[in-house]
Amino acid sequence: EPEVTQTPSHQVTQMGQEVILRCVPISNHLYFYWYRQILGQKVEFLVSFYNNEISEKSEIFDDQFSVERPDGSNFTLKIRSTKLEDSAMYFCASRGQGATEQYFGPGTRLTVT
Amino acid sequence: AQSVTQPDIHITVSEGASLELRCNYSYGATPYLFWYVQSPGQGLQLLLKYFSGDTLVQGIKGFEAEFKRSQSSFNLRKPSVHWSDAAEYFCAVGALIGNEKLTFGTGTRLTIIP
Repeated sequence: EPEVTQTPSHQVTQMGQEVILRCVPISNHLYFYWYRQILGQKVEFLVSFYNNEISEKSEIFDDQFSVERPDGSNFTLKIRSTKLEDSAMYFCASRGQGATEQYFGPGTRLTVT
Repeated sequence: AQSVTQPDIHITVSEGASLELRCNYSYGATPYLFWYVQSPGQGLQLLLKYFSGDTLVQGIKGFEAEFKRSQSSFNLRKPSVHWSDAAEYFCAVGALIGNEKLTFGTGTRLTIIP
């Protein structure tokens, strides 16, 4: 069964460093999302992406965040200058054309020290 | 703005007992509703969804949920829980139009006792 994959599973970085979180959505899906879950809190929407551009972004998704689909298969989330409060589990999700459900990857745990 | 409330933070049930997890939503029109399950250290797995039609929907692992428009609820049920059902359960609502970002509830942690 097709699934969304994410790498790395765990990333530790120092405050102020740039990180790139990678996702490979399900191959025929057209809609892509990033969510995050701070430890002990609910899953929060960050950004949605369709047709090579951002469709919607939340207040969390400020100028230090960016997304890209560099090669038609990967979908990346970049955080330019990480802060302690960026420590969270980041989930990628994808959705097919005409579908209602989003399929989530296993997540990347980002720890900022 | 859409929102989801899961009033039970933590529920403990005995193995073999029935289960009901509550979910209330707020949305201006007919929503898409979902239940996801998250096992420790794992991602989110879709259990079931509702967007139209029969208000009682069946999902994987023996779960079902009932949409009640009058109560703005979408409660998750299982007639007999198994120890492997211990996990965090999230209710989510999505918009009918647009790119359908999901808004999640705070989750209910389910503990199963032998």
